[in-house]
Amino acid sequence: AQKITQTQPGMFVQEKEAVTLDCTYDTSDPSYGLFWYKQPSSGEMIFLIYQGSYDQQNATEGRYSLNFQKARKSANLVISASQLGDSAMYFCAMRTAPGNTPLVFGKGTRLSVIA
Amino acid sequence: DSGVTQTPKHLITATGQRVTLRCSPRSGDLSVYWYQQSLDQGLQFLIQYYNGEERAKGNILERFSAQQFPDLHSELNLSSLELGDSALYFCASSVSGGSSSNEQFFGPGTRLTVL
Repeated sequence: AQKITQTQPGMFVQEKEAVTLDCTYDTSDPSYGLFWYKQPSSGEMIFLIYQGSYDQQNATEGRYSLNFQKARKSANLVISASQLGDSAMYFCAMRTAPGNTPLVFGKGTRLSVIA
Repeated sequence: DSGVTQTPKHLITATGQRVTLRCSPRSGDLSVYWYQQSLDQGLQFLIQYYNGEERAKGNILERFSAQQFPDLHSELNLSSLELGDSALYFCASSVSGGSSSNEQFFGPGTRLTVL
């Protein structure tokens, strides 16, 4: 069975600083994908970044990057130059191949950016 | 805007009642997923449909059912409602294909309150 663990219920970061949100996963499938979603207070789920298990390089999308350590089964999200608008819940999720399978989510981390 | 629409946005009803939540996936997406987000259980997968057929089942109660119609929109039916069914219900859709990178696009959610 797949499992996602996010051990940080809440995090604070100063505006313009970088922050790392932790995510560890567990699966016995060799092929899988890892996702990060952002959920602001308005409630919608916004896709941020994806990392495939066979990807050789860490994924990056603008200010978001994923620190993927396969041997440690971790997929930490790094947000650089934090902005006040980054304050939200962040969820790590995974799915195994084939692609049309449900996502398994972690419990989330609430990030608060302080001016 | 993800392209996934959900109606209604809010729903308030009483225990024992039955409600129907509606979802229209992004144009061209064949897969529809339903998720429930509650304070105590987090984000949980309920059920998936692919091109009209049930594809996968998660932690969906017997009081809940869903279907996907020929035009690919989906409905989630919740009956004999209990206080604990109060939650944010998300619909998500994804393209067909076998890649684990297939991102799921989430709708804005339906917030159900059972009084």
